[in-house]
Parts: sequence; C-alpha cells; structure tokens
Amino acid sequence: NAGVTQTPKFRVLKTGQSMTLLCAQDMNHEYMYWYRQDPGMGLRLIHYSVGEGTTAKGEVPDGYNVSRLKKQNFLLGLESAAPSQTSVYFCASRPPGQLYNEQFFGPGTRLTVL
Amino acid sequence: AQSVTQPDIHITVSEGASLELRCNYSYGATPYLFWYVQSPGQGLQLLLKYFSGDTLVQGIKGFEAEFKRSQSSFNLRKPSVHWSDAAEYFCAVGAEGGSYIPTFGRGTSLIVHP
Repeated sequence: NAGVTQTPKFRVLKTGQSMTLLCAQDMNHEYMYWYRQDPGMGLRLIHYSVGEGTTAKGEVPDGYNVSRLKKQNFLLGLESAAPSQTSVYFCASRPPGQLYNEQFFGPGTRLTVL
Repeated sequence: AQSVTQPDIHITVSEGASLELRCNYSYGATPYLFWYVQSPGQGLQLLLKYFSGDTLVQGIKGFEAEFKRSQSSFNLRKPSVHWSDAAEYFCAVGAEGGSYIPTFGRGTSLIVHP
C-alpha cells in the first residue's frame, strides 16, 4: 500500500494564479483532511470530508475550496493564490468508527506564492 | 471545547540523555491522546496513543507516554535519545462527539546535540 500520497511535492505560484493539490489514499478511509503548517502555528485544519461527496470547513477555510468526488481522492484548490498561502500543506486520512483511530498523513506539499 | 498545550517550543538534549516532552490537555470526557513525530521534510507519523487501560503506553522507536488524569497530562518520554530523534513532536487529543476532528498542540522541536 502506498498509504497517503500528495501531488505535487513542491510548487511555486505567482499571486493570482490558481492550482489544485491532489491527495490520494489507498486504505479505503472515510475521513480525509487538509491542513496547513506554518512556523510556530502547528497544524491548522483547512477543510475536511467525512465521506465521498461531502466536505466541511475547518479552522482556516478562506481562499480554499475542496472536492471529494471519489472516496480515495481529496482535492484542495486555490482559486487566486496569495502570498499568505505560502505554507506546507498536509493531507491526512482516517478510518471511520472509533475516536481513537489515528490519522495517516501524506508527505506534504511545499507551496510558495510570490 | 477541547484543547492541547505543549509548553515547550524547543527542547535541546544531548545524545544519550533522557527526554520528556510535555503535553497538557483539556477535554470534557475520557480523552483519546496521541503523539505524532514529524521528521524534517516528512509528514506526521504516529508514535503512540492512549484510549483506555494501562496508563503507561509503549510506542515505536523506544518512546513511551504516561496518561495522568489528575494532572491532565500525557507526557512523552524516552530514556536515551539518539541523534535520529531530532524532529518535531505533536501531541493531539481525539475529537469529542462524532466530529472526528482531533485537536493538535503547536508542537515541540527536539534538537539533539552530539
């Protein structure tokens, strides 16, 4: 199993450009999450999904959109990138059921917006 | 609302020395507690978790953590640190109710001196 994969690993954008980050998991997990990680801020939840076709806002959703058309994929979109969105983005997935089930994280996407 | 505090932003230890990373939580019911490690340039990986039973939990890489309900703490320990343990460590508490959104601390950066 590949676990959780993220594409691309690195990206540089100019202000105003758009892009989509792809997260894929092969563990048949129901729950998927997008986080951003900034120095001193820990992990902040952007959006999450509790199943195919469903999404919800997290702590810092502004400027991002998501889609979960297939169970195994969770896409994060930036419609008009801003320098404040320079960050490392992590995707995670989690099996349903018990609250003590841990999350499985991807390797991250490092995004720079100039 | 649940919360997690990691009081130490940075911890520096010498290789071979013992280690304790602190984690305090606020949670309304029986907590589900996690420690994750993030090596440089990598995603987060589960070290260990507590959800019931023995309050001393063993994890991977020689780590252990002790759940102390009276102190609302879940401190991570290792008797002898290796240079490869240099990483970012995150404590997390499981979600209340059915939201399946865990709360993360801001992380502690471990620096290991030779």
